[in-house]
Amino acid sequence: DGGITQSPKYLFRKEGQNVTLSCEQNLNHDAMYWYRQDPGQGLRLIYYSQIVNDFQKGDIAEGYSVSREKKESFPLTVTSAQKNPTAFYLCALEGAWNQPQHFGDGTRLSIL
Amino acid sequence: KQEVTQIPAALSVPEGENLVLNCSFTDSAIYNLQWFRQDPGKGLTSLLLIQSSQREQTSGRLNASLDKSSGRSTLYIAASQPGDSATYLCAGLYNTDKLIFGTGTRLQVFP
Repeated sequence: DGGITQSPKYLFRKEGQNVTLSCEQNLNHDAMYWYRQDPGQGLRLIYYSQIVNDFQKGDIAEGYSVSREKKESFPLTVTSAQKNPTAFYLCALEGAWNQPQHFGDGTRLSIL
Repeated sequence: KQEVTQIPAALSVPEGENLVLNCSFTDSAIYNLQWFRQDPGKGLTSLLLIQSSQREQTSGRLNASLDKSSGRSTLYIAASQPGDSATYLCAGLYNTDKLIFGTGTRLQVFP
């Protein structure tokens, strides 16, 4: 989706390191979401934000943190407390029906 | 617990076949059901969304149906093409305002 950009495409984390995944949008949408996708499992919600300077935990927020200082940006930090961070991370924006509908191309995080 | 299940996990068909992908959900109090397509290493693309008051939605060769009473949705793909090869996910929206995703069906259409 041209309006939502995730970077980097691939990311490697060393033991004990925090890493930050970027999600930027130029569609002027209020709500943004972070999902984690593991092989053989459905997407699981990590955090979501419906407005600047406000965000809520999803189903699997432990070991993750977010910020929403600007409407255009919703970065996700995978902290060292997340013991199994290897996964495909997807950022999403709300669509016409006020639910996650537009997805970025994802960031694949692996452990060194 | 609200769960969404997709069977089969993988499907391989020859080009030109009409096919049906299945999605089952445990809680019939669903607001809507959405079907997505995911290409390898990519994000999700929304295909169709069916509101709880609707029975089906159509877009081109795709037709999605929703039967709340039986807890099922189907995605019908007519005259399948190799370009249809992807993983198809369904997701139900409930009163928690969160989407519950199925595990997906990986479709391969061979020439």
